[in-house]
Amino acid sequence: NAGVMQNPRHLVRRRGQEARLRCSPMKGHSHVYWYRQLPEEGLKFMVYLQKENIIDESGMPKERFSAEFPKEGPSILRIQQVVRGDSAAYFCASSPSGGNTGELFFGEGSRLTVL
Amino acid sequence: SQQGEEDPQALSIQEGENATMNCSYKTSINNLQWYRQNSGRGLVHLILIRSNEREKHSGRLRVTLDTSKKSSSLLITASRAADTASYFCATVVTGANNLFFGTGTRLTVIP
Repeated sequence: NAGVMQNPRHLVRRRGQEARLRCSPMKGHSHVYWYRQLPEEGLKFMVYLQKENIIDESGMPKERFSAEFPKEGPSILRIQQVVRGDSAAYFCASSPSGGNTGELFFGEGSRLTVL
Repeated sequence: SQQGEEDPQALSIQEGENATMNCSYKTSINNLQWYRQNSGRGLVHLILIRSNEREKHSGRLRVTLDTSKKSSSLLITASRAADTASYFCATVVTGANNLFFGTGTRLTVIP
């Protein structure tokens, strides 16, 4: 049973380009969370999705960032017109029933570097 | 902010010693969880304690929760070099589904 799969593991973009980060949750998990981590810091909540629905996007910047979790396929975190401050590790986590009842299962992260 | 804060930020101990990390939070919670992160890797769940529990054990881990003080502690007994990692507490705020993570404690266990 594969764990949470994130790709790419490393992504380099120039300022102004778009970054797309993908996350395939564990089999049977319909809840997906995205977090951002700056070096030597904790994880900052960005967005919580269930299949085809955004449940809570309170941690996601209103501009340039978007997330989706379609009926088929992985969850996508999209960052348009990237800036240097977007450089960070982005982690996806999944759960079968939401974090209020149990643990989250994390992927290995996607490390975005903006030149 | 709903995030917790761990204390200390960094801890360095000798192998075999016990390590204690503390977490404080601000709002009413459903549960509190502890995670571990090795450098450059994703987070791994260690233990979950519910708001109506006061103490929980798992192997060499012992977690306590004091909801009146809005604080939790993680004790790792008989530490090993392989325990070297960052440890984060995460809280699920009452009525919410999200986990909010603290700032982490970087533990170094010296062989």
